[in-house]
Amino acid sequence: ETGVTQTPRHLVMGMTNKKSLKCEQHLGHNAMYWYKQSAKKPLELMFVYSLEERVENNSVPSRFSPECPNSSHLFLHLHTLQPEDSALYLCASSQDWRREGLSSYEQYFGPGTRLTVT
Amino acid sequence: TQLLEQSPQFLSIQEGENLTVYCNSSSVFSSLQWYRQEPGEGPVLLVTVVTGGEVKKLKRLTFQFGDARKDSSLHITAAQPGDTGLYLCAGRLQETSGSRLTFGEGTQLTVNP
Repeated sequence: ETGVTQTPRHLVMGMTNKKSLKCEQHLGHNAMYWYKQSAKKPLELMFVYSLEERVENNSVPSRFSPECPNSSHLFLHLHTLQPEDSALYLCASSQDWRREGLSSYEQYFGPGTRLTVT
Repeated sequence: TQLLEQSPQFLSIQEGENLTVYCNSSSVFSSLQWYRQEPGEGPVLLVTVVTGGEVKKLKRLTFQFGDARKDSSLHITAAQPGDTGLYLCAGRLQETSGSRLTFGEGTQLTVNP
C-alpha cells in the first residue's frame, strides 16, 4: 500500500448506529487530519493530530470522536449522527508543520469515505 | 466571507482550448497549493508555491503565485478530457503558525471531447 488509504470507501448508517472510519498513511508523516467535504462548500477541517496528540478541534460535535493510536493510523468514531452529517470524509497527512521546508506545507489526501446517514 | 475565492466556479470547454482559473484573497499566504479532485476520490496535490511571483510548470499546466502572495492562477494549455475535475486552491495564512490550510470552493472543469 502506498500513500494514504481509507476504509470503508462507502458507508450507510442509521442515526442510532455506531461506526468507525479508518485512515492509514504510508508516507512517514507525523501529522494527520480529518476533513469534511459537503456539496457546494469548501473543505472543512475537523481535527488535527501531530505526533499522536490532538492539536486542533474545530468545534466539531461530540458525536464525532477521533483517535490517533500512532503516527500512521487515524480513526473517526461516529455515534448518533444526523442526516446533515452525510458527506465525504477525507483523511490527510503531512510532515509536522513546525519543520522547515516545503514538505511541511503539503498535505496528502486519502480517497475518502462517502458517508450517508439515513 | 470566503477567504479564498476561486473563479470561475464552473467551466465547460472543448478539447484543445486553453483556460485559466483564479484563486484570490485579500490575505497574504506563506504557501499555496493546487489540487485536482475527481468524483469519489480525494484531492491530489499538483503543486506548491511559496515565493511571490513564482511560476511552476507541470506539463501543460502553469501555476503562478502573485507577487504579493495574495492570489494565484492555474493555466491549462490545450486541455484534454483527462483534465476534467474539481480544481482546489489551498493556502496557509502567513499570520498563523499552525497547520490549518484554507481551501477555496473549487472550480469544476469539464473538458468535452
